[in-house]
Amino acid sequence: KQEVTQIPAALSVPEGENLVLNCSFTDSAIYNLQWFRQDPGKGLTSLLLIQSSQREQTSGRLNASLDKSSGRSTLYIAASQPGDSATYLCAEFTQGAQKLVFGQGTRLTINP
Amino acid sequence: DVKVTQSSRYLVKRTGEKVFLECVQDMDHENMFWYRQDPGLGLRLIYFSYDVKMKEKGDIPEGYSVSREKKERFSLILESASTNQTSMYLCASSFHFAAGGGFFGPGTRLTVL
Repeated sequence: KQEVTQIPAALSVPEGENLVLNCSFTDSAIYNLQWFRQDPGKGLTSLLLIQSSQREQTSGRLNASLDKSSGRSTLYIAASQPGDSATYLCAEFTQGAQKLVFGQGTRLTINP
Repeated sequence: DVKVTQSSRYLVKRTGEKVFLECVQDMDHENMFWYRQDPGLGLRLIYFSYDVKMKEKGDIPEGYSVSREKKERFSLILESASTNQTSMYLCASSFHFAAGGGFFGPGTRLTVL
């Protein structure tokens, strides 16, 4: 069964720190992997999309990497700010399932 | 600025009522999706559509139906609402099917009493 796992479920760090969020997936026949941000009670905002042929994508202070061989993706957030506090979800789209499969998310809190 | 809008942010309905959730996108996307999100269960795909008048079942279609008469609009219908359909409903759209719903609406929090 295709699974996407995000550990830890919650993370709290002081403002200004660099941090890494982890995402692991079981199906290596991946088409792409997306990272989303969700604020409480709101919809999802797409942050970064990595195609299977790519190793990483960058947007501002965010950098996402993809390692298909190990079944892992990471989201690196540089110089964290209180406004980065949110739940971060990763989702993979595979050739087999032909749909997005989401992880449970990591709830990130940045303390001023 | 691209947008996916949903007809209501909050909705309260009675058991047995027929409920319509509307989703509109202004990006001329071919693919549209309906998910529900529940604590501990994450996001689950209910239905999706890759073209006008086309629909495909997702993981949990039971108790739901959909309608896509126009490209920009995708409706989710609860034929007879039940309390276990109390949830956050999220609509999404994408140009390329493999993007799986890159743009999400703000969500509708539905409570069935």
